[in-house]
Amino acid sequence: DAGVTQSPTHLIKTRGQHVTLRCSPISGHKSVSWYQQVLGQGPQFIFQYYEKEERGRGNFPDRFSARQFPNYSSELNVNALLLGDSALYLCASSLDRTSGYNEQFFGPGTRLTVL
Amino acid sequence: DQQVKQNSPSLSVQEGRISILNCDYTNSMFDYFLWYKKYPAEGPTFLISISSIKDKNEDGRFTVFLNKSAKHLSLHIVPSQPGDSAVYFCAASAEEYGNKLVFGAGTILRVKS
Repeated sequence: DAGVTQSPTHLIKTRGQHVTLRCSPISGHKSVSWYQQVLGQGPQFIFQYYEKEERGRGNFPDRFSARQFPNYSSELNVNALLLGDSALYLCASSLDRTSGYNEQFFGPGTRLTVL
Repeated sequence: DQQVKQNSPSLSVQEGRISILNCDYTNSMFDYFLWYKKYPAEGPTFLISISSIKDKNEDGRFTVFLNKSAKHLSLHIVPSQPGDSAVYFCAASAEEYGNKLVFGAGTILRVKS
């Protein structure tokens, strides 16, 4: 079975541009979460989507948005890019949206560099 | 605010010895704790977890201990192997936060052969 896939693997953008990152969850998983990992820090929660609806949002500005499609894949959009948006963006999928024994599986991430 | 802290940025251990990675948290709402392992150019991989109703969970060479009163957990790896060299993240979640994981900054473990 394929794990969580993300595209692209690397991306270089300039300040002010926008970017779209994509994630395909593990087959059968209905929940997708997005995390930002800045160098030297742990991943930080951005969004959770479950059954195509936003179920949780971290402390990120409105420039960050996401959506989930009927096939449970997801896109993360970032507008008006800033240098500080340079990071590894991780997608995680899980069976449902609750915590506890609901393990999250992470994709390899998309490395975004903003120049 | 850092609700989950890993105060040791790095740890170096000899092959065959015990590795102990520590993690502290401040939010008493956390009821589930996880350890993830991350190699370069890969996403974090789930290693082991523990519910707040337990104080120990073991899986092969990996054991996680939870001290709720001290808001502290630790991951023990015995015996350590060179392939264990990676970044280890402690993470916590709470039922009311849904699927949101709060991560520590990570500890780089180097196992020397």
